Amino acid sequence: NAGVMQNPRHLVRRRGQEARLRCSPMKGHSHVYWYRQLPEEGLKFMVYLQKENIIDESGMPKERFSAEFPKEGPSILRIQQVVRGDSAAYFCASSPPRPKPGTGELFFGEGSRLTVL
Amino acid sequence: KQEVTQIPAALSVPEGENLVLNCSFTDSAIYNLQWFRQDPGKGLTSLLLIQSSQREQTSGRLNASLDKSSGRSTLYIAASQPGDSATYLCAVDVRSGGGADGLTFGKGTHLIIQP
Repeated sequence: NAGVMQNPRHLVRRRGQEARLRCSPMKGHSHVYWYRQLPEEGLKFMVYLQKENIIDESGMPKERFSAEFPKEGPSILRIQQVVRGDSAAYFCASSPPRPKPGTGELFFGEGSRLTVL
Repeated sequence: KQEVTQIPAALSVPEGENLVLNCSFTDSAIYNLQWFRQDPGKGLTSLLLIQSSQREQTSGRLNASLDKSSGRSTLYIAASQPGDSATYLCAVDVRSGGGADGLTFGKGTHLIIQP
């Protein structure tokens, strides 16, 4: 049973370009979370999605960032017109359906490290 | 707004020692608390999850306690080994009505076990 798969593991972009980060959750998991880890900072929640639905995007910057989790295929975090401050590690996590309130146990991918030149 | 603080930020101890990592959070209305391990350039590995109704969880040489009323958790590592060297992250799942979902993380404790 493969874990959470993220790609690319490393991505280099120039300012103004677009970055697309992909996440395939663990088998049987229907909930996907994206977190960002800036250098010397803790992980910060960005967005929580279920298939075809954004449940909570309160941690997403208002501009240039978007996320989706289509019916088929991986979840995608898209950053348009990247700036140097977007350089960070972006982690995806997944969890099974939640019968009880609360996030439950999250399983993380190895992250995608974005460097903006 | 939930804030999670981890102390110490860094710790270096000789192999074999027992050690305690601390985590505090400001809002006691949580669903659960998780401890993770992060190796350099890698993702997070879940170590222990404590539900809000529980006081502690144990896995091998690791024991995590939770005192929700005081907003504290400790991770106890027995008989430390060089392979335990990593950054340990504490995260709480906030019970909020319409607020941010997901986990709130501390900045971590960077642990080095000297051979």
